Amino acid sequence: EVQLVESGGALVQPGGSLRLSCAASGFTFRNHWMNWVRQAPGKGLVWVSRISSDGSATSYADSVKGRFTISRDNVRNTLYLQMNSLRPEDTALYFCARVGSIAVIDYWGQGTLVTVSS
Amino acid sequence: DIQMTQSPSTLSASVGDRVTITCRASQSMSNWLAWYQQKPGKAPKLLIYKASTLQSGVPSRFSGSGSGTEFTLTISSLQPDDFATYYCQHYNSYPYTFGQGTKLEIK
Repeated sequence: EVQLVESGGALVQPGGSLRLSCAASGFTFRNHWMNWVRQAPGKGLVWVSRISSDGSATSYADSVKGRFTISRDNVRNTLYLQMNSLRPEDTALYFCARVGSIAVIDYWGQGTLVTVSS
Repeated sequence: DIQMTQSPSTLSASVGDRVTITCRASQSMSNWLAWYQQKPGKAPKLLIYKASTLQSGVPSRFSGSGSGTEFTLTISSLQPDDFATYYCQHYNSYPYTFGQGTKLEIK
C-alpha cells in the first residue's frame, strides 16, 4: 500500500525557516517524481514544487521561487521541502504527492500544517 | 502558465441527480487533465486522468470528457458519498495548476 507521511509542520514567525519531510513507503520511491502541493485554510489546492526521480530536476511556483528548496533522499525514501523567509501567506496544509506511471499525481499524503504568524 | 477556470464554484444537488462540472484552460493542453475529489480534512483523491480515463477503483458513475481547452466531469447519479469539493488540474507542463474548486452540496 502506498503511504506518504508528512511531518515538520509548526507555528513559525515571519522570516523564519522550516523543513518539511515526507516519508514514503509501499512503492519504489526512487522511480517516481514527487511534488509538494499546499492548501491555505478554506482555500483551494496550489502546486508548490516538484522534483525528478533522481533529484536532478526541480521546479517551483513563482510564489516560492528563491525561498523554498525541494530535495529527496532515495536511500531514506524521504522527500523534503526547505522553507526559508516564510511569510504569512505561506500558511497552509502542505501535501506531499506522488507522480504515478501515468504521469499524473496519483497519491497524496494527509498533509502537515504550517502556520506563519507573529 | 496555463490557468484553469472551473464552474460553477458551488453546486447544490440531490441524491440521484446528474451533475456536470466544467473546467476551462487558458490555452490548449491536449487531454492532460485530471479530476480530484476532496473531502474536508482529507487528502485529494484521483478520480480521472487523461481527461476521460477512470482511475482504478473509482465508481463508473464518474466520467470525464473534453480536450483542448474545455473539459467536463459528470456524475451520472449522485450518491451521498459524492458530496465533496472537486478540482481539475492540468499536467501538460509545469507549473501544474488547479482549478479553484467546485463544492458539491446537498440540496
